[in-house]
Amino acid sequence: KAGVTQTPRYLIKTRGQQVTLSCSPISGHRSVSWYQQTPGQGLQFLFEYFSETQRNKGNFPGRFSGRQFSNSRSEMNVSTLELGDSALYLCASSVGIAGVEHTQYFGPGTRLTVL
Amino acid sequence: DQQVKQNSPSLSVQEGRISILNCDYTNSMFDYFLWYKKYPAEGPTFLISISSIKDKNEDGRFTVFLNKSAKHLSLHIVPSQPGDSAVYFCAGYYGQNFVFGPGTRLSVLP
Repeated sequence: KAGVTQTPRYLIKTRGQQVTLSCSPISGHRSVSWYQQTPGQGLQFLFEYFSETQRNKGNFPGRFSGRQFSNSRSEMNVSTLELGDSALYLCASSVGIAGVEHTQYFGPGTRLTVL
Repeated sequence: DQQVKQNSPSLSVQEGRISILNCDYTNSMFDYFLWYKKYPAEGPTFLISISSIKDKNEDGRFTVFLNKSAKHLSLHIVPSQPGDSAVYFCAGYYGQNFVFGPGTRLSVLP
């Protein structure tokens, strides 16, 4: 079974631009969560989508948004990029709502650099 | 305010010896604690978890200990192998939320 895939793997943008990242979950998984990883901060939760509905959101500004499609694929958008948005963005999928009952499987991440 | 702390950014251990990775937390609401391992250029993978009502959980070479009174947990790897070299994240879980620590980089030296 194919794992979680994320595209693109690397991205360079400049301040003020916007970016869209894509995540394809494992087949049959209905939940997709997004995390931001920065050095010293670990993984910080952005949001989770389940069956096309955002069910949970972390403490990030409204510039960060996402959506999920009927095939469970998800996209994350960041508008008006800032230097501090440079990070590794990880997506994770699970069969059901992410929790201890449903293991999260992570993709390799998209490395975003904002210049 | 970091709810989950991993105060050692890095740790080096000789192959065959025990690796002990530590994690402290401030939120008493966590129901479970989980450990993830991350290799470079890959996403984190789930390693082991422990319920907040337990004090120990073991899976092969990996054992997690929880001390609720001290709000401290640790992951023991015995014996350590070079393939264990990775970044280890501790996470707390409550209310359908995961809170991750900043990670500890483990290097197992041959």
